[in-house]
Amino acid sequence: DAMVIQNPRYQVTQFGKPVTLSCSQTLNHNVMYWYQQKSSQAPKLLFHYYDKDFNNEADTPDNFQSRRPNTSFCFLDIRSPGLGDAAMYLCATSNSIAWTEAFFGQGTRLTVV
Amino acid sequence: DQQVKQNSPSLSVQEGRISILNCDYTNSMFDYFLWYKKYPAEGPTFLISISSIKDKNEDGRFTVFLNKSAKHLSLHIVPSQPGDSAVYFCAAKRDSGAGSYQLTFGKGTKLSVIP
Repeated sequence: DAMVIQNPRYQVTQFGKPVTLSCSQTLNHNVMYWYQQKSSQAPKLLFHYYDKDFNNEADTPDNFQSRRPNTSFCFLDIRSPGLGDAAMYLCATSNSIAWTEAFFGQGTRLTVV
Repeated sequence: DQQVKQNSPSLSVQEGRISILNCDYTNSMFDYFLWYKKYPAEGPTFLISISSIKDKNEDGRFTVFLNKSAKHLSLHIVPSQPGDSAVYFCAAKRDSGAGSYQLTFGKGTKLSVIP
């Protein structure tokens, strides 16, 4: 049973055209993360939500935004995708009270044309 | 500046033999370490973890060793099976305080187990 679900699995967008990636979870975890992973690179944390509190990494470009309307859902908005934003985007969740691991979704592969 | 380093991009091992994957870290604030396994077109899945108060944790065929003084950890898989072929990521975090739920990853090591 999928616990962290990312949609779509594959997304093609045009250069400069806003795109939204979505993530939902059935684990009721209070922390949700977005990671960017480029080929042969380490997954890089973009930002995370601790409950409703948004925490941006210092080097995350302003082009990337996020929304968390409720516990279950989190969105990644890329306002003006560039060719360099093509990557795998991974959503993850964790329980800060009893932290054991971060649970990852299957990822969304973003292609920018 | 990479705080978690996996210096071997790939590793090939014969089925039945031991696979040893290595990881080094530079941030002395890290005190909790995890290994994740990733198949193509799937998200990472948790494999095993270790706290800095231990130097070894074992789960079936998987054992993680931690050498705090050397800032080094390793994952041993024995015996290796073809289904173990995947990319293995080392990850680290602080066990408490600020950043205690933020993982920093290495670049991964692609393990190929040859039948």
